[in-house]
This record gives sequence, structure tokens and C-alpha cells, in this order.
Amino acid sequence: EVQLVESGGNLVQPGRSLRLSCVASGFTFEDYAMHWVRQVPGKGLEWVSGISWNSDIIGFADSVEGRFTISRDNAKNSLYLQMNSLRVEDTALYYCAKGPVYYDVNGFQNSFDNWGQGTLVSVSS
Amino acid sequence: EVVMTQSPATLSVSPGERATLSCRASQSVSSNLAWYQQKPGQAPRLLIYAASARATGIPARFSGSGSGTDFTLTISSLQSEDFAVYYCQQYDDWPPYTFGQGTKLEIK
Repeated sequence: EVQLVESGGNLVQPGRSLRLSCVASGFTFEDYAMHWVRQVPGKGLEWVSGISWNSDIIGFADSVEGRFTISRDNAKNSLYLQMNSLRVEDTALYYCAKGPVYYDVNGFQNSFDNWGQGTLVSVSS
Repeated sequence: EVVMTQSPATLSVSPGERATLSCRASQSVSSNLAWYQQKPGQAPRLLIYAASARATGIPARFSGSGSGTDFTLTISSLQSEDFAVYYCQQYDDWPPYTFGQGTKLEIK
């Protein structure tokens, strides 16, 4: 059974930093692309960032470009989101989600087939 | 950026009846379209990918159709567990992947 468990969410002041983690199990993590998606409570879904299986391909939403970085440690089955210069509008529940396997012919043109339960980030003074 | 627009925002349907949800893209996304279901307090769950393929374990009462800019999710006979919020997502053109604003399916 695929499991994705996020952690690291907290209440922080604007301008500060936070690092989220997602630990994966139940599949061969190193073979799969991964994503971060966020959701303001009661609102819709916003894709934040994605990373290929080998970290060669990385993408960000414009809203976080230059402030957030994504990384992974395949030896630890872990995905990370380093969030710097946090803003009030970054307040949300952050999900990690599983993307396609490395040999999928469609590459990043793929849906997200498993999601974690999320970790809450609150940015407030 | 591809803008995804879902309609209606809220849909009231009786159990056992059919529900039809719509999603429109601001430009063609081919068949690179997914539908997700989200219940209160839960993470989204993939229902449909490639516009019409059911994800693993999804009941046959869920079906998707469409291509290009116009897509539909149909639930043929609503069960109590189907009342939730549904999101469409395009993955044709990234970054960014984009989601619709959601349709809340409620009990009539």
C-alpha cells in the first residue's frame, strides 16, 4: 500500500523559513516523480512544485518561484520543500503527491495517483 | 497558463440519480485531464485520468468523457459516499499544472 506522510508544518512569521518533508513507502520511491500541492482550508487546489525521479526536471508555480526549492533523497525515500521568505498567502495545507514512473512515455504529462494527508503551514505575525 | 473552469459550483442531486459535472479548459489540453474526489478532512483521490480512464479501484459508476477543451464527469447512480467536492486538473501544459475551482456535489 502506497503511503505518503508529510511533516514539518508549523506557525511561522512572515519572512521566515520552513522545511516540509514527505516520507514515502509502499512503492519504489526512486522511480517516481513527486509533487507538492497546497490547499487553503475551504478553498481549491494549487500545484506548487514537482521533481523528476532523478531531480533533473524541476518546476514551480509562479507564486513560489525563487522562494521555494524542492529536493529529494532517494536513499531516504523522502521529498522536501524548502520554503523561504514566507508570506501570509502561503498559508495552506501542503500535500505531497506521487507522479509518474520514470519510464512512462508521457513523462510529466500525468496525473497524481496517490496523495498524503497533508501538513498545515500557517504564516502570521 | 491554462485556466480550468468547472460548472456548476454546487450540484444538488438525489441518491440514485445521475450527476453530470463539467470542466472547460481555456485552451486545448488534448486528453490530458484528470478528475479528483475530495471528502471533508481527506486528501484528494484520483478518479479519472486521460479524460476517460478509471483509476485503480474506482467503481464503474464513475465515467469521464471529452477531449480538447470540454470534459464531463458522470456518476451514473449516486451513492451516499459520492457526495463530495470534485476537481478537474489539466496536465497537458506544465508548469503549472492547473485545477478547476471545484464542484460541490450535495444531497438534494
